[in-house]
Amino acid sequence: DTGVSQNPRHKITKRGQNVTFRCDPISEHNRLYWYRQTLGQGPEFLTYFQNEAQLEKSRLLSDRFSAERPKGSFSTLEIQRTEQGDSAMYLCASSNQPGTQNSQETQYFGPGTRLLVL
Amino acid sequence: DAKTTQPPSMDCAEGRAANLPCNHSTISGNEYVYWYRQIHSQGPQYIIHGLKNNETNEMASLIITEDRKSSTLILPHATLRDTAVYYCIVRASSGNTPLVFGKGTRLSVIA
Repeated sequence: DTGVSQNPRHKITKRGQNVTFRCDPISEHNRLYWYRQTLGQGPEFLTYFQNEAQLEKSRLLSDRFSAERPKGSFSTLEIQRTEQGDSAMYLCASSNQPGTQNSQETQYFGPGTRLLVL
Repeated sequence: DAKTTQPPSMDCAEGRAANLPCNHSTISGNEYVYWYRQIHSQGPQYIIHGLKNNETNEMASLIITEDRKSSTLILPHATLRDTAVYYCIVRASSGNTPLVFGKGTRLSVIA
């Protein structure tokens, strides 16, 4: 399978614990995005990498959240001191920078990691 | 906030065409229309995108009105596996921007 993969698929944790999720993008995709999706809502953007550089962060990404992409390949998203409000599906997407100015990039999503904070 | 408006739900009989509307009256000249769908408990799946011309691929057709203020995604022969939430998204042509999802349309294909 050459699609985007995410691990774990499910995580149950107690409030106050730290959790880390991993995303492996499609091979050679240089862009990687993290989104969060709560029940009944569409995904919301969290942050975005181009290669190893984190280029954009949304206001949703509080200081308890940190994301890395150290070698420009896989990425991790860590949530410290989890709260019940962090319960959501965390989605990763990857894309390739278009070769020409008028080309469009298409983001391909992984299956997500479903987090439940008790 | 999402720049699109979609009906919250629609039904379609299996084997019939599913026509999903989307309003994007404030779309700018350099913004594309993208469609994704999300089957229950899975990540969103790319379907199609377009700027002003109608587009067709193996999954669907995208019809964009001449004034670009609305569009319709057409699944020509809906199957039970097409039951999903369909998201219509407008996105700048620069391309390196995150997708802004609304609540989408929940399509139920009925046998």
